[in-house]
Amino acid sequence: NAGVTQTPKFRVLKTGQSMTLLCAQDMNHEYMYWYRQDPGMGLRLIHYSVGEGTTAKGEVPDGYNVSRLKKQNFLLGLESAAPSQTSVYFCASRGGRTQETQYFGPGTRLLVL
Amino acid sequence: GQQLNQSPQSMFIQEGEDVSMNCTSSSIFNTWLWYKQDPGEGPVLLIALYKAGELTSNGRLTAQFGITRKDSFLNISASIPSDVGIYFCAGPWPNAGGTSYGKLTFGQGTILTVHP
Repeated sequence: NAGVTQTPKFRVLKTGQSMTLLCAQDMNHEYMYWYRQDPGMGLRLIHYSVGEGTTAKGEVPDGYNVSRLKKQNFLLGLESAAPSQTSVYFCASRGGRTQETQYFGPGTRLLVL
Repeated sequence: GQQLNQSPQSMFIQEGEDVSMNCTSSSIFNTWLWYKQDPGEGPVLLIALYKAGELTSNGRLTAQFGITRKDSFLNISASIPSDVGIYFCAGPWPNAGGTSYGKLTFGQGTILTVHP
């Protein structure tokens, strides 16, 4: 039982390049979330999903797209990376409406030059 | 989300000292959560609070849900080096007539450094 895993751990991009961050959970959780963490700003919600095939916008969705084709996977895409997207990205999952705890992955550190 | 303000932003303490930090909001929360993030890791839930005035402990950690429902406090007693990390408060997005789907808003964090 690995919990929540994220791939890759670290990536360097040039402005304008695209990439996809992968989040996988093996806990059969319904809800999944993508956050970004910037110094002094805590974690801010980018997008979330309440089930396979569903996605919704969070607090800071601009410049990102997501997909949840399989229940266990939640993908975060950057179509044209910008330096402002340099951040640490965390994925989290939660069992469902009645379960409080969000379980976080180890994070992906992204640097956009 | 709504803004949560944590204080202090950072703390440098000696091993064995007690630590206090707080989180305030301009809006009422029905749930308060406290997370800890170890260096290079994702946040982990420490304590969840569901009722105004509630006091809950988890080992050397004690958290309180403020009476006004606009604040929460976290205390760590007899700190040890492994207490180092960032402590976040969090609360659910407002329902606005529907479910918040577990979306959380986080404070900016308190960075704790413990000197041996």
